[in-house]
Amino acid sequence: EDQVTQSPEALRLQEGESSSLNCSYTVSGLRGLFWYRQDPGKGPEFLFTLYSAGEEKEKERLKATLTKKESFLHITAPKPEDSATYLCAVQVIRSGNTPLVFGKGTRLSVIA
Amino acid sequence: NAGVTQTPKFRVLKTGQSMTLLCAQDMNHEYMYWYRQDPGMGLRLIHYSVGEGTTAKGEVPDGYNVSRLKKQNFLLGLESAAPSQTSVYFCATGTDYGYTFGSGTRLTVV
Repeated sequence: EDQVTQSPEALRLQEGESSSLNCSYTVSGLRGLFWYRQDPGKGPEFLFTLYSAGEEKEKERLKATLTKKESFLHITAPKPEDSATYLCAVQVIRSGNTPLVFGKGTRLSVIA
Repeated sequence: NAGVTQTPKFRVLKTGQSMTLLCAQDMNHEYMYWYRQDPGMGLRLIHYSVGEGTTAKGEVPDGYNVSRLKKQNFLLGLESAAPSQTSVYFCATGTDYGYTFGSGTRLTVV
């Protein structure tokens, strides 16, 4: 069974305090790993897609990395506006379309 | 979110009532999805569609039906609502490169 586990469940940071969120996965074959940001009362918003081990992508204070078993979302010098729930999802290699399988998310709070 | 519109945004149902949630997309995507999101459970796939006239079951399909009569619309139906179906429902459309989500429907079954 394909599984995605995110840790920690919740993270509280001071403004400027860098940290990382973890997404570990167990799948038969990985087509892609996705990161989303979700603000309260809204739908998830796409951040990154990673396809192969060693790949990295950056957007402002966020950097996503991928290994063969996990992905990290690094947050450098976070600001209060980075507070949100961050979701990780995987797409598995199979014939035809395979919907994303999501982890339960990490709720990030950045305190000024 | 731009491109995916869900209606209604909020709804309260009594146990046993029926309703239909509508998802409309203007992105011309073939793939559309219905997820539910519950506290501590994350996003779970209910049903999905890979094109007009096609549907398939996801992880938690029981108690729901879907239809994709037009490419741009994906309907989620509850024939006889139960309190366990209290949730936030998200529609998404996309490709293998990522999904775009709607803003959600918050459904309460009393």
